[in-house]
Amino acid sequence: KAGVTQTPRYLIKTRGQQVTLSCSPISGHRSVSWYQQTPGQGLQFLFEYFSETQRNKGNFPGRFSGRQFSNSRSEMNVSTLELGDSALYLCASSLDSQNSPLHFGNGTRLTVT
Amino acid sequence: GQQVMQIPQYQHVQEGEDFTTYCNSSTTLSNIQWYKQRPGGHPVFLIQLVKSGEVKKQKRLTFQFGEAKKNSSLHITATQTTDVGTYFCAGPKVTGGGNKLTFGTGTQLKVEL
Repeated sequence: KAGVTQTPRYLIKTRGQQVTLSCSPISGHRSVSWYQQTPGQGLQFLFEYFSETQRNKGNFPGRFSGRQFSNSRSEMNVSTLELGDSALYLCASSLDSQNSPLHFGNGTRLTVT
Repeated sequence: GQQVMQIPQYQHVQEGEDFTTYCNSSTTLSNIQWYKQRPGGHPVFLIQLVKSGEVKKQKRLTFQFGEAKKNSSLHITATQTTDVGTYFCAGPKVTGGGNKLTFGTGTQLKVEL
């Protein structure tokens, strides 16, 4: 079974721009979560999608948004980029259960200059 | 909100020495999961503990879930260089559905020959 695929792997953007990151979950996994990882804040939950609906949301500003498509693929968008948005963005998929372990992709390394 | 803390933040050991990381949650958890992230990699699921007082072993790794289901520990016996990485514990949200995990602050393990 193929793992979680995230594209692109690396991205460099300037302040004020917007960015879209993509995630393809493991086949059969209907839940997709996004996390932001930084050295200072660790792994922070952004949001979770299931059946094209946002099921959970973290404490991030409205500039961070996401969506899920009918094939469970997901995208997240960050608008009006700030320097502090530089981070590793990790997507994780899981089966539909609160006890399901997360399967992470390799992440997208976003650098904002 | 729910907080999950880990100690120590960093640990340097000589190969062959033991290692322990401790995880404490501000709330009672229905289960706790452990993940390992190698340098430059993504978090990889190790194990899930569900029952109060549960102990599980994976070769040299021993995982414990506290009686009150608010703390957990990971102990590695006779560390090897392959154990290098950051170890995270994670707990699910207290109420509501979905698969939102709150990750601990992580313990970075370095093993020297």
